[in-house]
Formats: sequence, structure tokens, C-alpha cells
Amino acid sequence: AQKITQTQPGMFVQEKEAVTLDCTYDTSDPSYGLFWYKQPSSGEMIFLIYQGSYDQQNATEGRYSLNFQKARKSANLVISASQLGDSAMYFCAMREGSGANSKLTFGKGITLSVRP
Amino acid sequence: KAGVTQTPRYLIKTRGQQVTLSCSPISGHRSVSWYQQTPGQGLQFLFEYFSETQRNKGNFPGRFSGRQFSNSRSEMNVSTLELGDSALYLCASSQTLGTASYEQYFGPGTRLTVT
Repeated sequence: AQKITQTQPGMFVQEKEAVTLDCTYDTSDPSYGLFWYKQPSSGEMIFLIYQGSYDQQNATEGRYSLNFQKARKSANLVISASQLGDSAMYFCAMREGSGANSKLTFGKGITLSVRP
Repeated sequence: KAGVTQTPRYLIKTRGQQVTLSCSPISGHRSVSWYQQTPGQGLQFLFEYFSETQRNKGNFPGRFSGRQFSNSRSEMNVSTLELGDSALYLCASSQTLGTASYEQYFGPGTRLTVT
């Protein structure tokens, strides 16, 4: 089974509107971290936001917030007030547990296009 | 503070050759991870180094190897290149290792084309 699932096709949003990018995950480990990264056409992966499995509140970082629904195993990224510069690929990732086997697993990504 | 740097940024090689990619982590970061990104397979974990020791390895053939130096800089080597090795190779660094919460910061990547 896939650890991280991002099934949305390319997403389009009007500038200044909010958009939600979906991510579901699969793990039996009680300790895990969820991450969102942005990858512009230049290729560099930019860290956006982190949510820990034991965090009681949803994470927020500026215009980014993570809608964490633990029972549903979903960790959707919400971008408020979209800007043209938000056009990029967005990846959801998870790290399970700790120790030597704790590696970051990425979803397939979602392409977001912001329209002026 | 300077970010993660990778050299070279672009590389063209022919089948059968070998290649070495370099990654310099953020100052103070001791962990370096490598990823391969292709349109078909997405982002796949290659390996992770911490304090000059390989701590974790992905599911790649032995042609892919790496090492880390005492200054935390890391190199990745691919021998006997195949067409399927054409990819964006990303390096990421982090301060710590071994918990679910540590953030990784990525470099700009090396785009390798094998002809």
C-alpha cells in the first residue's frame, strides 16, 4: 500500500482565493511527522509546514495551514490568498518513528496553477 | 546562513560511464540525505548519512553509493550509468537524526542526463 497518497489532478485556483491540496497517509506507527514541500520549476524543494502525530493543534505557517485529521489519516494543505508565485508542484511527505529506518516518504505530488 | 549547495547543477554522461555528485549541507547540519526524482517514479530515497556513517538506505542497486566526509559534505557516485538513471538528484540536510520531526532542507539538485 502507498504510504502517501495525493490523487488530485492538476489544481487551478484564482489569485487571492484559498485552495486545499489533499493528502492521505498510511502508517501503523504512533509516532510520525507529516511535511509539505513546494517544488517550483527550478527544482529546489522548499519546506513549507510540519505536523507531528502528537500535536493537538493544526500547524500554521503564514499563509499555509495544515488540516490534520488523525482519525481519517489526512493532512491537507490549505493555502490562503493564493499568489502567482504559488504555482508549483506540492509534495506531501511522512517520516515514521525514529532511528535508522526513519526516512522521508513522498507522495506523487500535485501541480497547482494560480490564475491571475 | 548559506543553504544546501549541490554541484554540478547539470551533467550529461553516456551509458557505461560513472558520475560523482557533490552536496554541501547547511553549516552545522550533520545529516545528509539523497533522493532521486524522475517523472515516472517520483521522489525516491537513496540513502542518508550522519557523522560519516550511512544510517539508512533505499531500494537501489549497488551501482549507487555515497559517502560523507568529516566536514559533513557528501558525495554520491553512480557507476555503469544506464539510461534510466537520468533524473534530478536532490540532496537534503538536517541538524539531527532519528526522530519523526526533524526538517530537511533541500538543495537545488543536479540534473543528470544519460545518453
